[in-house]
Amino acid sequence: NAGVTQTPKFQVLKTGQSMTLQCAQDMNHEYMSWYRQDPGMGLRLIHYSVGAGITDQGEVPNGYNVSRSTTEDFPLRLLSAAPSQTSVYFCASSQTSGSPGFFGPGTRLTVL
Amino acid sequence: KQEVTQIPAALSVPEGENLVLNCSFTDSAIYNLQWFRQDPGKGLTSLLLIQSSQREQTSGRLNASLDKSSGRSTLYIAASQPGDSATYLCAVAGAFTGGGNKLTFGTGTQLKVEL
Repeated sequence: NAGVTQTPKFQVLKTGQSMTLQCAQDMNHEYMSWYRQDPGMGLRLIHYSVGAGITDQGEVPNGYNVSRSTTEDFPLRLLSAAPSQTSVYFCASSQTSGSPGFFGPGTRLTVL
Repeated sequence: KQEVTQIPAALSVPEGENLVLNCSFTDSAIYNLQWFRQDPGKGLTSLLLIQSSQREQTSGRLNASLDKSSGRSTLYIAASQPGDSATYLCAVAGAFTGGGNKLTFGTGTQLKVEL
């Protein structure tokens, strides 16, 4: 199993540009989430999903969209990038709500 | 709103020492608590998960305890090794917020084990 994969690893955007961060898992996990990690603030939940077709907002959803058309994929879309979205983004999955989380290697995003 | 605090923020110990990392949380209505390890520039690896009904979990040299009533968890690392150097993160899943899919993280303890 590849586990949780994320692409790209690094990305530089200009303010106002849009892009999609890709996340995929091959473990048939129902639960998937997106977090951002900023210095001194820990990881914060952006959006999450409890299964295909079901998504909901986390703590910091503004400026981001998600969809879950398949169990395997959970892309995160930045609609109009802002410097405040400069961060490291992690995708995570878990089998059930009570099982350990598996995290991807992260995408380091810089918005100029 | 759940808040998770980890103390200390950084810790440097000589190899072989036993050490304790602390995690506290403000809302005792939790579903479970996880301890993660993060190496520089890498993702997170789940080390131990304690369900709300459990008091502790053990894996090798690691032991995590949970006291829900006081809002505390500790991660005990026995006989520390240089390979244990990493940032350790505590994360809590709320009991009424969808369980383990929605985690609230502490800011971590950066551990350095020196030869």
